[in-house]
Amino acid sequence: DAKTTQPTSMDCAEGRAANLPCNHSTISGNEYVYWYRQIHSQGPQYIIHGLKNNETNEMASLIITEDRKSSTLILPHATLRDTAVYYCTLRPTDSWGKLQFGAGTQVVVTP
Amino acid sequence: EAGVAQSPRYKIIEKRQSVAFWCNPISGHATLYWYQQILGQGPKLLIQFQNNGVVDDSQLPKDRFSAERLKGVDSTLKIQPAKLEDSAVYLCASRQTRGGRYEQYFGPGTRLTVT
Repeated sequence: DAKTTQPTSMDCAEGRAANLPCNHSTISGNEYVYWYRQIHSQGPQYIIHGLKNNETNEMASLIITEDRKSSTLILPHATLRDTAVYYCTLRPTDSWGKLQFGAGTQVVVTP
Repeated sequence: EAGVAQSPRYKIIEKRQSVAFWCNPISGHATLYWYQQILGQGPKLLIQFQNNGVVDDSQLPKDRFSAERLKGVDSTLKIQPAKLEDSAVYLCASRQTRGGRYEQYFGPGTRLTVT
């Protein structure tokens, strides 16, 4: 069973920030938080990951709470192309660590 | 940089028939994964290879599914015989092992329909 909990769906207006929550209350100290997204009919695409500190890249920002039991993925200016299923998952820090995907959050960006 | 290649993109077979999927990972990626994604669900790992060795096949239904990566590059996943519940998208992914880059790169998938 996936160790993360996400809302089933959410809508976002184009140009606005999209804040996607994820709960991982049983996260271990050696587990990263990873985010992927899957656009319709494509394979999942890596977005960002973090361990303790907040992270930012060209696609998104990741905010991890101090107790690491939840995180938020922020898409700063959502576009129609950001419509996708977003997966929050955990990966152990050892090199064989596998990803376990839940059902994710279906994000629909509307004009 | 070329992405992960998969073929075929679509396949329709009848139950009890056999089917094979092919995956060519990104050049230099030693780790290769096969996932099964049933409609409405997230991908589920079936098998993970490191070069030509199996690292994890705990969720592979070994009575009907098999996978190989003989030369440590491309890989084949086979189902024999297929069941109706095998209808899904089969995703292949690869990643580097060294250099601290652990993100997986996914191919477009093969959509299998079993009738």
